[in-house]
Amino acid sequence: NAGVTQTPKFRVLKTGQSMTLLCAQDMNHEYMYWYRQDPGMGLRLIHYSVGEGTTAKGEVPDGYNVSRLKKQNFLLGLESAAPSQTSVYFCASIGYRAYTEAFFGQGTRLTVV
Amino acid sequence: DQQVKQNSPSLSVQEGRISILNCDYTNSMFDYFLWYKKYPAEGPTFLISISSIKDKNEDGRFTVFLNKSAKHLSLHIVPSQPGDSAVYFCAASGDQGGSEKLVFGKGTKLTVNP
Repeated sequence: NAGVTQTPKFRVLKTGQSMTLLCAQDMNHEYMYWYRQDPGMGLRLIHYSVGEGTTAKGEVPDGYNVSRLKKQNFLLGLESAAPSQTSVYFCASIGYRAYTEAFFGQGTRLTVV
Repeated sequence: DQQVKQNSPSLSVQEGRISILNCDYTNSMFDYFLWYKKYPAEGPTFLISISSIKDKNEDGRFTVFLNKSAKHLSLHIVPSQPGDSAVYFCAASGDQGGSEKLVFGKGTKLTVNP
């Protein structure tokens, strides 16, 4: 049982390049979330989804786009990477309602130079 | 505008003593509160939660207290062990306009000294 898997685990981008981070869960969870973690800033919510085909903005959505075409996958896109997007990105999934335990992936460390 | 606040970036306690981690929230729509633990280079893992209709929830060495009137919750770890050394995140959730955010605080780094 893999749980929540994030791909890739590490990436270095040049300013202006684009990339997509993939989050895959095998628990048939409805809710999925993307966070970024920066020193002294904790976990900040970027975008989230409460079901297949739905997405919503979180606290820091600018510069990111997301898609949830399949229930098990939640994609986070950076269209034109900036150094300010250097961070560790975490994906999480929850079975139903944010009242229950969220399962997190191992994180993606992204550096934009 | 930070909705979940953990005002202590770090806490250091001796093994066997009590650790108390605090969290404040501002949004009255939150009705469920959770604590997560995070080790370096790993994703956060769920520790304990509490519904807004309760004021206490206990699980082994971990107890969470909720004071709704003060919009404050705390996590007590008794007795503290060196393996408890980690970053602890407070989180809150609730229906906000038909969708549910799960919002985290900045975290408190707990160090338990042998």
